[in-house]
Amino acid sequence: RKEVEQDPGPFNVPEGATVAFNCTYSNSASQSFFWYRQDCRKEPKLLMSVYSSGNEDGRFTAQLNRASQYISLLIRDSKLSDSATYLCVVNTNDMRFGAGTRLTVKP
Amino acid sequence: DAGVTQSPTHLIKTRGQQVTLRCSPKSGHDTVSWYQQALGQGPQFIFQYYEEEERQRGNFPDRFSGHQFPNYSSELNVNALLLGDSALYLCASSLVAGGLYNEQFFGPGTRLTVL
Repeated sequence: RKEVEQDPGPFNVPEGATVAFNCTYSNSASQSFFWYRQDCRKEPKLLMSVYSSGNEDGRFTAQLNRASQYISLLIRDSKLSDSATYLCVVNTNDMRFGAGTRLTVKP
Repeated sequence: DAGVTQSPTHLIKTRGQQVTLRCSPKSGHDTVSWYQQALGQGPQFIFQYYEEEERQRGNFPDRFSGHQFPNYSSELNVNALLLGDSALYLCASSLVAGGLYNEQFFGPGTRLTVL
């Protein structure tokens, strides 16, 4: 089993749609959690950290369920500019990345 | 404020050769991590350097080695290149004092092709 597993995707959605990404991790000792965004042929960039109480940043909401070892990212009112690969990242002494879920938002 | 820089941008080598990749961290950062990203995969952690020492290491063979200099810049060396080493190599810098929610800033990467 992979340490960090994500929805394989790809997700193709119209503008304005709500889309949710899921991620599970295997190591219960994992300490911190993140969502990174990676545009085609570019480096990953931090989208948001994921806290135990859940957190929101504009149209983006992240949730963490430590008991189920599950992380989610919700994007509301999706924009064309949200098209990218979304990487789930789990910090267990070092950063472990999922394979990523590709999102394409269409007009 | 310069971000993370990496050189070279692209590199083509043949099997059995050795390669050195370079990284300069974001200003003020003291920790450098290296990742290998194969096509269609997420980055895989190679190792992390702090205070010129390797602090953590991922599941990579000893052919992968590194170094950190007093100015915090870093090198990744790969010996005896294999075809499977072809990938994007990413460097990320951070501040050790940043704690568990320490953001890593990535450089643009070096794309290595092994023929």
